[in-house]
Amino acid sequence: GESVGLHLPTLSVQEGDNSIINCAYSNSASDYFIWYKQESGKGPQFIIDIRSNMDKRQGQRVTVLLNKTVKHLSLQIAATQPGDSAVYFCAETPSGYSTLTFGKGTMLLVSP
Amino acid sequence: GAVVSQHPSWVICKSGTSVKIECRSLDFQATTMFWYRQFPKQSLMLMATSNEGSKATYEQGVEKDKFLINHASLTLSTLTVTSAHPEDSSFYICSAPIAGTPNTEAFFGQGTRLTVV
Repeated sequence: GESVGLHLPTLSVQEGDNSIINCAYSNSASDYFIWYKQESGKGPQFIIDIRSNMDKRQGQRVTVLLNKTVKHLSLQIAATQPGDSAVYFCAETPSGYSTLTFGKGTMLLVSP
Repeated sequence: GAVVSQHPSWVICKSGTSVKIECRSLDFQATTMFWYRQFPKQSLMLMATSNEGSKATYEQGVEKDKFLINHASLTLSTLTVTSAHPEDSSFYICSAPIAGTPNTEAFFGQGTRLTVV
């Protein structure tokens, strides 16, 4: 299930389940959206990105969906594995050469 | 792939002292590097954009005299936390895109955990 901690929402799933992590963004002018995975004590790692002229993009085991109408972004992870346990951040920017603004993050906990 | 390395990975310092954190692009040149701060269970907050050969651009609310940034070469940017206090304890992360590529393709360092006692 999903719970909201003091600062970081947490999504707990069983191994093999599909996970959906959500992100609401605020800047309607944002053109690039990126999902990052951050493991404990490490820097963020790029997962997948999408531009505003698309509403869906697929990678290996991951899919990003973009709904510009409600300014919502989601990351779907298929067949979630324990190694997927991490904090996931979305980031947005109005152009490829602007700075990134990171969302609040969601902790994904995968139990075997 | 491109690698961004930070040094040290962690540091403990006494209150009132200064600490320097290095961010290196190991196998590419970076005219721009970004410095973020991350408090526990929170998101990354951009502190400043480091520009090779010129002054850094600081985000609103970040004291430039406290967080000194130097980007003296195409592969190295340094962040110096001056007169550190316990509230400066945080995880500092840098990122860098390959020169000429979009910021959206920036590579992140592994982070530096600063603890001020």
